[in-house]
Amino acid sequence: QVTLKESGPALVKPTQTLTLTCTFSELSVSTAGMRVSWIRQPPGRALEWLARIDWDDDKFYSTSLRTRLTISRDTSKNQVVLTMTNMDPVDTATYYCARHFDYTSSLPDSWGQGTLVSVSS
Amino acid sequence: QSVLTQPPSASGTPGQRVTISCSGGSSNIGSNIVNWYQQLPGTAPRLLIYTNDQRPSGVPDRFSGSRSGTSASLAISGLQSEDEADYYCAAWDDRLNGVLFGGGTKLTVL
Repeated sequence: QVTLKESGPALVKPTQTLTLTCTFSELSVSTAGMRVSWIRQPPGRALEWLARIDWDDDKFYSTSLRTRLTISRDTSKNQVVLTMTNMDPVDTATYYCARHFDYTSSLPDSWGQGTLVSVSS
Repeated sequence: QSVLTQPPSASGTPGQRVTISCSGGSSNIGSNIVNWYQQLPGTAPRLLIYTNDQRPSGVPDRFSGSRSGTSASLAISGLQSEDEADYYCAAWDDRLNGVLFGGGTKLTVL
């Protein structure tokens, strides 16, 4: 049973930096072929891919948000971390982590339950 | 804005067959695989179709996918009330070097 669990603050203020953590059970984030993406979904709107990190530490970012995002891994804790700077109310969304491993390497297959982040003063 | 274009809504009656389209371009669907995801109300997306037309274990064979050129389609036959959900297509884009999602299609079972 794949388990990914997102954690982070439920509320952040405008201009603050958001830090989200995705914790793996089962496989290691360093397992050959493992890729992990962060994806968000504003209330009532579509999914938006944010960033991806691979088992070999290769990283990819959304072109529109590249300057605000950093994705990293903590192999000792089996976690993937996403930071997003200069938060704005339009960044209010449910943030998901998802792994690419069981079925396709280029696209997510197993998703976490998501964590809702609201941006408000 | 979504580079993968889906109809915002679709509907059908129980037992009917419905199709949802996903239109892209040469740098995404035209050269990479497509996945489809189902998102039931209030839940996280789940993988429905991978690599254009493959079903993960546990997905009923009422769901099928196809890809042709720069477009893909999801078909649901024998429509059931529990199929009422949002459906998203996704593909890697070689030009953007990232994952693209469609805008989503809300399926209503009448």
